[in-house]
Amino acid sequence: DGGITQSPKYLFRKEGQNVTLSCEQNLNHDAMYWYRQDPGQGLRLIYYSQIVNDFQKGDIAEGYSVSREKKESFPLTVTSAQKNPTAFYLCASTMRWGTEAFFGQGTRLTVV
Amino acid sequence: AQSVAQPEDQVNVAEGNPLTVKCTYSVSGNPYLFWYVQYPNRGLQFLLKYITGDNLVKGSYGFEAEFNKSQTSFHLKKPSALVSDSALYFCAVRDDASSSNTGKLIFGQGTTLQVKP
Repeated sequence: DGGITQSPKYLFRKEGQNVTLSCEQNLNHDAMYWYRQDPGQGLRLIYYSQIVNDFQKGDIAEGYSVSREKKESFPLTVTSAQKNPTAFYLCASTMRWGTEAFFGQGTRLTVV
Repeated sequence: AQSVAQPEDQVNVAEGNPLTVKCTYSVSGNPYLFWYVQYPNRGLQFLLKYITGDNLVKGSYGFEAEFNKSQTSFHLKKPSALVSDSALYFCAVRDDASSSNTGKLIFGQGTTLQVKP
């Protein structure tokens, strides 16, 4: 089945640690996105990538980093510079000139 | 700047009654409008979209939405609500005037729909 796979589903991070969230898609979509979801705040865009080896900052990129070495993969690293990383993280993809986005099932990150 | 507003944090309806979840938007060009649904601890599922054409759009699970250009609204509706419709609903917009055409979506804050038996 085609879709987007995020892993892990739950992730715990200690203060000062970097952690990486995985996002893989087999939809052959060109564009991929990372969103952060906090209660009552909707979804906010962290980073996006339209093509391999290229990515752009979204609205809340500080404390995060990404890479796009392969079309199907768009991992997100939450660095120690992100002061409030506890949130639900969603990965999505779209065809480059397409319309609706397809979402993964999300990763819930908690700082312990 | 593009924006989306969902004025109600929560909507409560009785099962079998019609439901409406409101959404208004602001874009500089022609809007591409979307509705998504989210169940607890899950990703977003696409319900329906308006790109062009008929103002009444039909989507998944019996939902429909009406595009109103003069009121810049795109309200989600269903004639008869089910308890299983209880979830978090997001309205989103993409502006076709964006020169980069990145496909970026701007989301509303979300509206929790509670359908009671």
